[in-house]
Amino acid sequence: DQQVKQNSPSLSVQEGRISILNCDYTNSMFDYFLWYKKYPAEGPTFLISISSIKDKNEDGRFTVFLNKSAKHLSLHIVPSQPGDSAVYFCAAQPSNSGGSNYKLTFGKGTLLTVNP
Amino acid sequence: DSGVTQTPKHLITATGQRVTLRCSPRSGDLSVYWYQQSLDQGLQFLIQYYNGEERAKGNILERFSAQQFPDLHSELNLSSLELGDSALYFCASGASGNTGELFFGEGSRLTVL
Repeated sequence: DQQVKQNSPSLSVQEGRISILNCDYTNSMFDYFLWYKKYPAEGPTFLISISSIKDKNEDGRFTVFLNKSAKHLSLHIVPSQPGDSAVYFCAAQPSNSGGSNYKLTFGKGTLLTVNP
Repeated sequence: DSGVTQTPKHLITATGQRVTLRCSPRSGDLSVYWYQQSLDQGLQFLIQYYNGEERAKGNILERFSAQQFPDLHSELNLSSLELGDSALYFCASGASGNTGELFFGEGSRLTVL
């Protein structure tokens, strides 16, 4: 049973346009959400996160939106650049995580290709 | 560079064999996490260690085991290997108190023939 779902395996956008990557979750205990980016032959790197007490978090060209009632979050990249081409993983963490990082649940990832 | 070091980067072995993957966390991080990424799968959480003690267990097979040593490096032991164990194995570390921001190594790609 996949608790974090990224239903689009791939997305292709033109340079300068907006990229929107979507993620759905089923576990209502999740209260902290993260996006990781992964280039080939590298490990995932943290991109941006959002707590369930917020509905939006922005960091430069990257904005994450959270809709708790719909159990849905999205990552917006504006404007998209060719260097953003990578696999993007959505991840979620439950509220009973305690004082240390705990058992992030990842989606399968979405391959974003930004065409020049 | 995440500061997390994994060895070996690539490993090819045969079914039934045993391998050990090694991970050195970022300096100062007490937690080590192991994840498995199989073909077309997301990152599956295997196990977490915190300061030498097992903290959380995920979908880790009984044929797999891990430990964290006093110097905080960790090893993931995979035994009686099967074809389906072929995957990327990632180690990550994170500081206590952070919420979810893990630092991943480059991964160890295991191929079982």
